[in-house]
Amino acid sequence: GAGVSQSPSNKVTEKGKDVELRCDPISGHTALYWYRQRLGQGLEFLIYFQGNSAPDKSGLPSDRFSAERTGESVSTLTIQRTQQEDSAVYLCASSPLASVYGYTFGSGTRLTVV
Amino acid sequence: DAKTTQPNSMESNEEEPVHLPCNHSTISGTDYIHWYRQLPSQGPEYVIHGLTSNVNNRMASLAIAEDRKSSTLILHRATLRDAAVYYCITQGGSEKLVFGKGTKLTVNP
Repeated sequence: GAGVSQSPSNKVTEKGKDVELRCDPISGHTALYWYRQRLGQGLEFLIYFQGNSAPDKSGLPSDRFSAERTGESVSTLTIQRTQQEDSAVYLCASSPLASVYGYTFGSGTRLTVV
Repeated sequence: DAKTTQPNSMESNEEEPVHLPCNHSTISGTDYIHWYRQLPSQGPEYVIHGLTSNVNNRMASLAIAEDRKSSTLILHRATLRDAAVYYCITQGGSEKLVFGKGTKLTVNP
């Protein structure tokens, strides 16, 4: 596709439920990031995939958060047993090569936990 | 933690140039300097990046100090649409992209 696609664009879920967020990067992009942005706050790094290297999971806030990526394609971010503090916009970005090219961000998934 | 220092906020008038500073005194020789901006209620948008030489594109210019310890993003003629938070980021190799607090730019009509 022409850009990074994220789905769903909005998700409202009940506290305690699991949610799965999807990111379709630009075809051929080897690097993929997930970020979280709470209302009025800055971007918080969650996880980084680069090619076939082991992902950098250092930003995941708890073991309720996990992410997978199949090769250089789709990535899913899963949040188990959602809590109200998980409410935020979850942003995905991809790039053809880390640090040399700019990253393209998706429009994000707005998650609301009620 | 972010490895750059930016002013929290700046103001400009429409149609005037804007110079957004960034200090990155610990930058290493192979680190790129990236600028992104985030308009209200949108995801970040790539603006420009460079390594050593000054760079120009349709959105902005990037002036990099000779010692690379600082850089300046230049918007030649600010418009109301340029009101956003501007992030300066240094990144090398396969490091993750770490966003700081950025500079909130207000453009007055």
